[in-house]
Amino acid sequence: QQPVQSPQAVILREGEDAVINCSSSKALYSVHWYRQKHGEAPVFLMILLKGGEQKGHEKISASFNEKKQQSSLYLTASQLSYSGTYFCGTASNTGNQFYFGTGTSLTVIP
Amino acid sequence: GAVVSQHPSWVICKSGTSVKIECRSLDFQATTMFWYRQFPKQSLMLMATSNEGSKATYEQGVEKDKFLINHASLTLSTLTVTSAHPEDSSFYICSATSRGYSNQPQHFGDGTRLSIL
Repeated sequence: QQPVQSPQAVILREGEDAVINCSSSKALYSVHWYRQKHGEAPVFLMILLKGGEQKGHEKISASFNEKKQQSSLYLTASQLSYSGTYFCGTASNTGNQFYFGTGTSLTVIP
Repeated sequence: GAVVSQHPSWVICKSGTSVKIECRSLDFQATTMFWYRQFPKQSLMLMATSNEGSKATYEQGVEKDKFLINHASLTLSTLTVTSAHPEDSSFYICSATSRGYSNQPQHFGDGTRLSIL
């Protein structure tokens, strides 16, 4: 039931772009994205609801394809502060299940 | 923004001790609270979902008699690890949300690092 993320890890140079994918085996109502830095609590980035939403948050945006049960997080012109582990979280159509994905470690180097 | 306070931040205790972790929403009413467990370099594994005033729903494989969850009010949920053993050592983290968690963000506490000797 845990969503699968890809890639597992990625290393970028400052200014480069990255895409993180999240795939679920269940029909989804919403997809959440969080970033967690080492030793800290996850921080909320955005929620996408079914209906094929796309959202942007400065240079971080995401899309949700409910038919494919997939979501993608786009990071453009990456900054050092983007480093961390990114998790998607999925809420099912039945509304009573929420699970975090497998995680993607992103490291931005100068 | 929404603030969730989790205490204690870390605990070191002997095997067989019971440990209680508190999770409080400071500025909003948390209708739903989640308890997660996270091992190093791994994802957050959901242990249980608790709604105010009702029994927690435990995930498969999580012993409800070992991990006691109480969500007695809209601002407080507690997780008690009973008779803790070294294999229970982990990072435990709570989150809280209001008005349905499907379309509301989860607000996380800072986590509790539990070490059982």
